[in-house]
Amino acid sequence: KNQVEQSPQSLIILEGKNCTLQCNYTVSPFSNLRWYKQDTGRGPVSLTIMTFSENTKSNGRYTATLDADTKQSSLHITASQLSDSASYICVVSARGSGTYKYIFGTGTRLKVLA
Amino acid sequence: ETGVTQTPRHLVMGMTNKKSLKCEQHLGHNAMYWYKQSAKKPLELMFVYNFKEQTENNSVPSRFSPECPNSSHLFLHLHTLQPEDSALYLCASSQDLERDINYGYTFGSGTRLTVV
Repeated sequence: KNQVEQSPQSLIILEGKNCTLQCNYTVSPFSNLRWYKQDTGRGPVSLTIMTFSENTKSNGRYTATLDADTKQSSLHITASQLSDSASYICVVSARGSGTYKYIFGTGTRLKVLA
Repeated sequence: ETGVTQTPRHLVMGMTNKKSLKCEQHLGHNAMYWYKQSAKKPLELMFVYNFKEQTENNSVPSRFSPECPNSSHLFLHLHTLQPEDSALYLCASSQDLERDINYGYTFGSGTRLTVV
């Protein structure tokens, strides 16, 4: 069964600190993995996308890693800011019969405190 | 704004009401989607349209009725909803169903629906 699990469910950190969010997946055949940021009351916005051959992808203070062997990904946030408070959703794309299906995780809710 | 606009942003409706959600994109995308987002659950795919044709109905109750008059507009018609239908309804678009690597979804901001 295609599944994406994220941990932790929620996280509280102080402004300026770093944090790492985890994503484990059992999706086949794997196509790519995306991290989305979703602010409260808004739709998700893409942060990074990684294919099978990519290990690391950065977008400013966000760095995503992918280990295709262990089927794990992480999102590392450096020097957190109050605006980083949001839900972070891991999405894995599976290819089948010429089209793509997206399997969503439940997200990690991050709160950054001043 | 992401390029995908949803209206209204908030909607409160009674169980006997009929209302519609609207989604509009001018990104030149050919695929459009409706998702339901409930608390502590993954996004649930409801409907998929590709080049105006419905390609997927993910076992959605008939009280939800989608309409896609053209590749830029998508509607979700609602009638006789239940309180458990209260959720954030997200519209998304993508280039099309066959191309994915360098594309992906663009989401709207959603409609927060409350059924009373």
